[in-house]
Amino acid sequence: DGGITQSPKYLFRKEGQNVTLSCEQNLNHDAMYWYRQDPGQGLRLIYYSQIVNDFQKGDIAEGYSVSREKKESFPLTVTSAQKNPTAFYLCASSTLQGVGETQYFGPGTRLLVL
Amino acid sequence: SQKIEQNSEALNIQEGKTATLTCNYTNYSPAYLQWYRQDPGRGPVFLLLIRENEKEKRKERLKVTFDTTLKQSLFHITASQPADSATYLCALPASGGSYIPTFGRGTSLIVHP
Repeated sequence: DGGITQSPKYLFRKEGQNVTLSCEQNLNHDAMYWYRQDPGQGLRLIYYSQIVNDFQKGDIAEGYSVSREKKESFPLTVTSAQKNPTAFYLCASSTLQGVGETQYFGPGTRLLVL
Repeated sequence: SQKIEQNSEALNIQEGKTATLTCNYTNYSPAYLQWYRQDPGRGPVFLLLIRENEKEKRKERLKVTFDTTLKQSLFHITASQPADSATYLCALPASGGSYIPTFGRGTSLIVHP
């Protein structure tokens, strides 16, 4: 089966703790993205990557970090600097072959603060 | 910067009727517009893409129109079914022909049996 997997489905963070959300894809897509979704709000772009070992900040990168050591993997770390981390986090991937390429999304990770 | 507007109020319709959702945008001319479906607690799923030189696109019971003069896209679901109940998001490139989409807040559709 081809697709994107995210883990865990639910994640709990304590004050001052860094947590890492996993995202893996086997679609052979070059580009990967992380979005944050809050109730009643659209998807907001956190980080994106077009190629291994390179990534760019999106609209709300503060308090987050990423890495792209392998084409298939794009983990997101929510650092203690992110003061309001409770949200639904979505990972996506796409090709870069043309304009308007479809974004394929994972099932999401819901992050809650204890 | 560009702005995307989707009706924040839920659309309630009866089964069998046609649902029409609206996506308005401002400030620039996008090369394309996409529509996605999102079910509660799940990631969005791509439905249709329409390019700036296309007026209309169809896929089974779905129809999308793109009016670049009005800066508006309409998304229609004909013969709606309760299974069509979901939130529908429109997405436009972050700028011009950018490959990165910016998403609207989405409109919730509820189809009553």
